[in-house]
Amino acid sequence: DAGVTQSPTHLIKTRGQQVTLRCSPISGHKSVSWYQQVLGQGPQFIFQYYEKEERGRGNFPDRFSARQFPNYSSELNVNALLLGDSALYLCASSIRLAGSSYNEQFFGPGTRLTVL
Amino acid sequence: GESVGLHLPTLSVQEGDNSIINCAYSNSASDYFIWYKQESGKGPQFIIDIRSNMDKRQGQRVTVLLNKTVKHLSLQIAATQPGDSAVYFCAEKRRGQGNLIFGKGTKLSVKP
Repeated sequence: DAGVTQSPTHLIKTRGQQVTLRCSPISGHKSVSWYQQVLGQGPQFIFQYYEKEERGRGNFPDRFSARQFPNYSSELNVNALLLGDSALYLCASSIRLAGSSYNEQFFGPGTRLTVL
Repeated sequence: GESVGLHLPTLSVQEGDNSIINCAYSNSASDYFIWYKQESGKGPQFIIDIRSNMDKRQGQRVTVLLNKTVKHLSLQIAATQPGDSAVYFCAEKRRGQGNLIFGKGTKLSVKP
């Protein structure tokens, strides 16, 4: 079975640009979460979506936005990129909304974003 | 700030020895804990989890211990192998929330 897939694998942008990252969850999974992992740190929660609705948001500025589509895939959008946005962006999917039960979040390989 | 942290940023062990990776958390509202393994260039991979109503859980070559009194979590890897070399993260989920809170990670290096 295919795991969580993310695209693109790598991306290089310049300051001020905008970027869209994509995630396809495991088949049957309805919840998608986004995390930012800066080099040498643990992942930091950005968003959680379930059934196309935002169900949680981390401490990130409004430049970060996301959405979930009817097929449960998701996009993360970051506007007005800053150097500090350089990181590995991880997508995780789970069967249900993780807050409602103990269910495992499966992570994708991530998109490596470099902002110059 | 972070409520989940690790005591040791790096750990070097001999192949075949047992490894113990420690983690501290500060929020008593956390009801679920997970250990993840992350290899270079890959996303975190689930290793083992434990609910707050448990003290110990065993998997294949791995054991997680939870001490709620001192808010401490540990991952024990038996007969450590070169393939275990990676960064290990503990993560917590707080009651009523769906997101995971990760610590900074411990890098495990296995010497042949």
